[in-house]
Amino acid sequence: ETGVTQTPRHLVMGMTNKKSLKCEQHLGHNAMYWYKQSAKKPLELMFVYNFKEQTENNSVPSRFSPECPNSSHLFLHLHTLQPEDSALYLCASSTTRDRDNEQFFGPGTRLTVL
Amino acid sequence: AQSVTQPDIHITVSEGASLELRCNYSYGATPYLFWYVQSPGQGLQLLLKYFSGDTLVQGIKGFEAEFKRSQSSFNLRKPSVHWSDAAEYFCAVAAGSSASKIIFGSGTRLSIRP
Repeated sequence: ETGVTQTPRHLVMGMTNKKSLKCEQHLGHNAMYWYKQSAKKPLELMFVYNFKEQTENNSVPSRFSPECPNSSHLFLHLHTLQPEDSALYLCASSTTRDRDNEQFFGPGTRLTVL
Repeated sequence: AQSVTQPDIHITVSEGASLELRCNYSYGATPYLFWYVQSPGQGLQLLLKYFSGDTLVQGIKGFEAEFKRSQSSFNLRKPSVHWSDAAEYFCAVAAGSSASKIIFGSGTRLSIRP
């Protein structure tokens, strides 16, 4: 497997469920990102990790909890979500956090909250 | 405040016809500008980027973009589109030195007429 992979590709969950999204990159990158893509809205950056350390949290509600156990893996733990959290969640990685470095995106997890 | 505007939500062009997608940005300093493409069911892929130098930038898949400071624009062009170009296109500006400061536009969906 090459590039950035995300699992699952689709997820339906109730508001009381707990689930996790997984992202894995095989590119040797040190920076990883979570984005939220909602219909008709610009891509929203949620979290940034650099060398496993969280460097940015863009005022994301605490019902979203990221985890980065190593530079290759990134998780997004979900609990007590709201229907408005339904969206495509994209993971990305880059060599460093510098804007000069291309971000490589995974295919996303399509999340539906009932 | 920094922003990116893509005035066209949806464009349809015939296969073989030329294409121009518009992007206007608002940023006080010299901008770092990007165009990304998102094919159905896929993550974003970088088409091209402008940091400095020649204002006409060549990218992958036969795309090019021209930076015009006087018009605060960074329009994407392709001389002859193929059916495989049907996708969503996002313009973005880096509002700082970090990738986490990249601001994305709302996107333009491109459909190709056979």
